[in-house]
Parts: sequence; C-alpha cells; structure tokens
Amino acid sequence: GENVEQHPSTLSVQEGDSAVIKCTYSDSASNYFPWYKQELGKGPQLIIDIRSNVGEKKDQRIAVTLNKTAKHFSLHITETQPEDSAVYFCAPGDSGYSTLTFGKGTMLLVSP
Amino acid sequence: EAGVTQSPTHLIKTRGQQATLRCSPISGHTSVYWYQQALGLGLQFLLWYDEGEERNRGNFPPRFSGRQFPNYSSELNVNALELEDSALYLCASTPGWGETQYFGPGTRLLVL
Repeated sequence: GENVEQHPSTLSVQEGDSAVIKCTYSDSASNYFPWYKQELGKGPQLIIDIRSNVGEKKDQRIAVTLNKTAKHFSLHITETQPEDSAVYFCAPGDSGYSTLTFGKGTMLLVSP
Repeated sequence: EAGVTQSPTHLIKTRGQQATLRCSPISGHTSVYWYQQALGLGLQFLLWYDEGEERNRGNFPPRFSGRQFPNYSSELNVNALELEDSALYLCASTPGWGETQYFGPGTRLLVL
C-alpha cells in the first residue's frame, strides 16, 4: 500500500511569512495530489490539487509543486495570515480507483 | 448548494454496543467514502460505496460495515464497540470515480 509522510509535523510562522509543507509518497501509480485544510471542529476542505501531468499549480496565495520522479509534492502558502492556522493534510492517490491515503497532518500556526 | 451532512454530530456509547452513523452526500454525488480520524492521527480510509455497491475497504475488522441507499445516502455501522473506536468519523462524497472528495463535518463517537 501507499506510504505517506508529511514534514514538518508542526510549523510556526509570523504573519506575512511563507510556509512550505512537504509530502513524500511511495506508490509510483499515484497520479492525483490534493492538499486539504482542516480547521478545529470541521471536516477537511480541499484547498488545491494537482494531477501528474502538471508540475505546478497556483491559486492566489497557495501553490502546489510536484516532483513525480522523486515522489514528493509540496504545499506553498505565501503572505500567511492568522486564518491560515489549521492542520494541513496531503492525500496522494490513484484517481482511477478513488483511493486516497492521507498523511498524518501538519499543524500550521500563524502568529499575528 | 448544500454540502455533505452527517448525523448525529456526537454519539456516546458503551463498550460492546453498536453505533450507527449517517451521511447524506452532496446532491448529484453517487460515491460516498468513510474515514476514521482518531485523536492525533491522520484520516484512515474505512469504506467506499458507489451506486449502492461497496467498491473498496480499508484495513479495518468486519465489525465495521455499512451500506448505501438508493438515494445515495449512506450508513456506517460499528458493532461490538471497543474503547479504541473513539474517533471522529468523516464522510466524503464525489460525483463519480476519480473526482475531488468533499467532506462533511463528521460524527464524534465516544466509547466508554
């Protein structure tokens, strides 16, 4: 099965700084790479995703980069704000079979 | 558009009892996924239903079961509850195979 590792497990930044979270996976068949944000007391929400035929995708302050050869992808958040504070999960999967394997999460704390 | 809904929000049971959790997918979505999120851990995949059929199952014992109804809503049943079943149970839905998963707020199950 897929082994997924996320680093770091916690990340503290000052408001306005950038944050980067890295996700490493083992299954070379994975072709779908989403990032989810989970706020306290809520279910995870998709914030950005990328498919294996694309190397980078950006949506305002959020970007995801993929290195399929090295089997890792990263979440980049620029100009962080306190409301970015949450737990972030990567969940690589094989979209053909709709199976996602979630990492253990990264708690991001943005201090004003 | 209404999101994924889950009921109840909280459930307290004693060891050995049975728990039933319910999920209503987004209108038009035919696939439903169940995940277990124990405290401090990532999401563990439990079950996937599509068009009324169980399509995939995670590494959980048979006392975790479920079904999907003709209206695509779903039920997760946990028999012979154990203390370690205490967790947040999340449901997600997609409009079809290989699509983005949208999560509900979860049901928090406490086993005493």
